[in-house]
Amino acid sequence: GNSVTQMEGPVTLSEEAFLTINCTYTATGYPSLFWYVQYPGEGLQLLLKATKADDKGSNKGFEATYRKETTSFHLEKGSVQVSDSAVYFCALTSTNSGYSTLTFGKGTMLLVSP
Amino acid sequence: KAGVTQTPRYLIKTRGQQVTLSCSPISGHRSVSWYQQTPGQGLQFLFEYFSETQRNKGNFPGRFSGRQFSNSRSEMNVSTLELGDSALYLCASSLVGGENEKLFFGSGTQLSVL
Repeated sequence: GNSVTQMEGPVTLSEEAFLTINCTYTATGYPSLFWYVQYPGEGLQLLLKATKADDKGSNKGFEATYRKETTSFHLEKGSVQVSDSAVYFCALTSTNSGYSTLTFGKGTMLLVSP
Repeated sequence: KAGVTQTPRYLIKTRGQQVTLSCSPISGHRSVSWYQQTPGQGLQFLFEYFSETQRNKGNFPGRFSGRQFSNSRSEMNVSTLELGDSALYLCASSLVGGENEKLFFGSGTQLSVL
């Protein structure tokens, strides 16, 4: 079956530090990969996505590259802000399911201090 | 354009009771998915509806059920509540539920079972 593994949190950084959140996956077929973000008290918002190998998704300074050879989709940002504090979820859908059925990782909390 | 609306925001029930949660998708969206979020298990897929038909179902017991109405609004029902059903229940909508489509999440219903 499909699964997503994320690094455990919380990740604690100072403002302007470099961020990496690791994500690896196991899937049948050719999954599309996503990063969602959840701010306190809110639902999830799509941050970025990549639909095929070597695609790079980017949004709001965040980037992730779909690496098929290492089955990874690590999230990076060059300079984090306090407002980036949230829980980040890596997720996938696969061609076998065909519909909007996402398999999520357990989430990584990011805490950014001034 | 209004976002995904979930009601109620908070619910407190006791073991053995049943509960109904409501989700109004974004106007024009016909696919509605439900997810359960708990600290231990993370986000788990419950089911997905499209045009009043359940297309996909996750690995949950039959106590969890749902339905979708002709206006795409959806409800989920949990009968004979157990303590372990305490969770944040998230609803997400998309246009037709295609695998690369962006999902729009509501803020969730926080269910506490005492």
